[in-house]
Amino acid sequence: ILNVEQSPQSLHVQEGDSTNFTCSFPSSNFYALHWYRWETAKSPEALFVMTLNGDEKKKGRISATLNTKEGYSYLYIKGSQPEDSATYLCAFMVLRNSGGSNYKLTFGKGTLLTVNP
Amino acid sequence: DSGVTQTPKHLITATGQRVTLRCSPRSGDLSVYWYQQSLDQGLQFLIHYYNGEERAKGNILERFSAQQFPDLHSELNLSSLELGDSALYFCASSGGGDNHYGTFYEQYFGPGTRLTVT
Repeated sequence: ILNVEQSPQSLHVQEGDSTNFTCSFPSSNFYALHWYRWETAKSPEALFVMTLNGDEKKKGRISATLNTKEGYSYLYIKGSQPEDSATYLCAFMVLRNSGGSNYKLTFGKGTLLTVNP
Repeated sequence: DSGVTQTPKHLITATGQRVTLRCSPRSGDLSVYWYQQSLDQGLQFLIHYYNGEERAKGNILERFSAQQFPDLHSELNLSSLELGDSALYFCASSGGGDNHYGTFYEQYFGPGTRLTVT
């Protein structure tokens, strides 16, 4: 069983605050890490795919970093807005060669962000 | 709108029955992924197809099967349904034709099919 931990579970911030949260994963056999934004009653929306140690990616006010050696990724939101309120999910892919599959994909339970106006 | 379509939107059926969920990927995407979201398990990866071939299998039960057709649409077949199979089933697609079979590309999720087993 692969443990993908996201912290904190939930977060309340004020509009304009910057915030960050963590996705932790086993550091061996790393393949890729995906970040998603998931609003209530909608489908997950891809934010980033991170594949290399030291990767830094940015999309508007949201950015992410990746450390595969220590097994974590940070997601940062600068100047949070109410429309950023959502659950932020990470999904960790690990290489494997057993059972006919070449990778295993496990989702964290997400960080629920609420941005108060 | 992600460009990924799923039918039907809602499905209500009885235990022991069999259903088929359908997914059409974004135009040009070769990869299709299936996911299950249930209240107690969160989002679970079921299976990934790339250009008609199975590339990875997750927590998919033996009662479930999937395939991807030559036109790249995919179907997820669920049989001998149990109450616990009630969930939201998502399909996603991604592009990419390299040796990572699309896994290094962003996935675009469809709206999901809500399955209720009574």
